[in-house]
Amino acid sequence: QKEVEQDPGPLSVPEGAIVSLNCTYSNSAFQYFMWYRQYSRKGPELLMYTYSSGNKEDGRFTAQVDKSSKYISLFIRDSQPSDSATYLCAMRRDSSASKIIFGSGTRLSIRP
Amino acid sequence: NAGVTQTPKFQVLKTGQSMTLQCAQDMNHEYMSWYRQDPGMGLRLIHYSVGAGITDQGEVPNGYNVSRSTTEDFPLRLLSAAPSQTSVYFCASSSPGTSGAPGTQYFGPGTRLLVL
Repeated sequence: QKEVEQDPGPLSVPEGAIVSLNCTYSNSAFQYFMWYRQYSRKGPELLMYTYSSGNKEDGRFTAQVDKSSKYISLFIRDSQPSDSATYLCAMRRDSSASKIIFGSGTRLSIRP
Repeated sequence: NAGVTQTPKFQVLKTGQSMTLQCAQDMNHEYMSWYRQDPGMGLRLIHYSVGAGITDQGEVPNGYNVSRSTTEDFPLRLLSAAPSQTSVYFCASSSPGTSGAPGTQYFGPGTRLLVL
């Protein structure tokens, strides 16, 4: 069983829709939960991170962590065509941990 | 700052050949990592380093070697290329981070490797 599971999609939604992306994980030692965005033929870039359980909002993006269920989510409000990319969740045990475990990524397409 | 740079951008190898993928960063980051990305598999950690002279294995280390003689450089060596090593390889670097704020990991543009 993978430590981090993520639905690969693809997911296609109309412009302006609310998008929900999710990951589950098995290792209860994970404390930091991150979302990366990767455009085609580019390296991933950090979108946002959350420490432990709770919500974090950054503009149109909201990250949620439910440690009791080992479940994390990324919500995108008012989705734009420029949001079309692959979104990868990632986790690490602590802030200084050098090992980061990634999900397989969800390919998202926003239709104009 | 150039950030994280990788060379070459694309490479074709024959089975059994060896080669080195280069990675360099100019941000004075202690941590560096190599990942491979395959369809449906996400990013899988090959090797990582927490500082010059210190390296460790990740999830899929077999067939790869690394060394870290300087803070800036972290080359990845394929000892005897196999078709199963056809992939996109990403190098990344980050600082250790502080309590409550993990260091942001920066990725290079990737190297596309095809092994025939």
